[in-house]
Amino acid sequence: AQSVTQLGSHVSVSEGALVLLRCNYSSSVPPYLFWYVQYPNQGLQLLLKYTSAATLVKGINGFEAEFKKSETSFHLTKPSAHMSDAAEYFCAVQTSYDKVIFGPGTSLSVIP
Amino acid sequence: DVKVTQSSRYLVKRTGEKVFLECVQDMDHENMFWYRQDPGLGLRLIYFSYDVKMKEKGDIPEGYSVSREKKERFSLILESASTNQTSMYLCASSVFDEQFFGPGTRLTVL
Repeated sequence: AQSVTQLGSHVSVSEGALVLLRCNYSSSVPPYLFWYVQYPNQGLQLLLKYTSAATLVKGINGFEAEFKKSETSFHLTKPSAHMSDAAEYFCAVQTSYDKVIFGPGTSLSVIP
Repeated sequence: DVKVTQSSRYLVKRTGEKVFLECVQDMDHENMFWYRQDPGLGLRLIYFSYDVKMKEKGDIPEGYSVSREKKERFSLILESASTNQTSMYLCASSVFDEQFFGPGTRLTVL
């Protein structure tokens, strides 16, 4: 069965610092992988997705993620954090047409 | 612009009440989903539907049912609300890979 783990339920970074949110997955078949972001009092929106094309995926708001099959990882990065990046981030894996498995989420705080 | 709407942002109900949560999407998507979101647990799938009148159980269907009479509308029903169903409920629709989410309904059961 597939699963998703996110290391660190809460991450704090200074404004302008590197953002690194970790995601590892388990899947018996090549997965589709996603990062979603949830701003306070809103639903989730897609940041980026990996669908077996380029292993380095660029998303919205300057975020990117790299698929590393050997490490079963899909970590999310952004070179320079902005205050507006403060949100909850969810990694997710899809291996069938209909179901997506979400990780527990990482809450990102940005310190001025 | 893509849109998924949910009937209420906040809802307070009493134990034992029957509760209806409504979700409407305007994208003509076949797949629709209901999740509940709890701190530290992420999103857990309650039910999903891949066509009108079709439904499939997700990971935590106990205490819930769903209805999909029209393609654009997917309803979640709590037959007899209990305090452990206090949560944030998120509806989503999808076309294969990307899911589009509504703003959520925060349900409190007293």
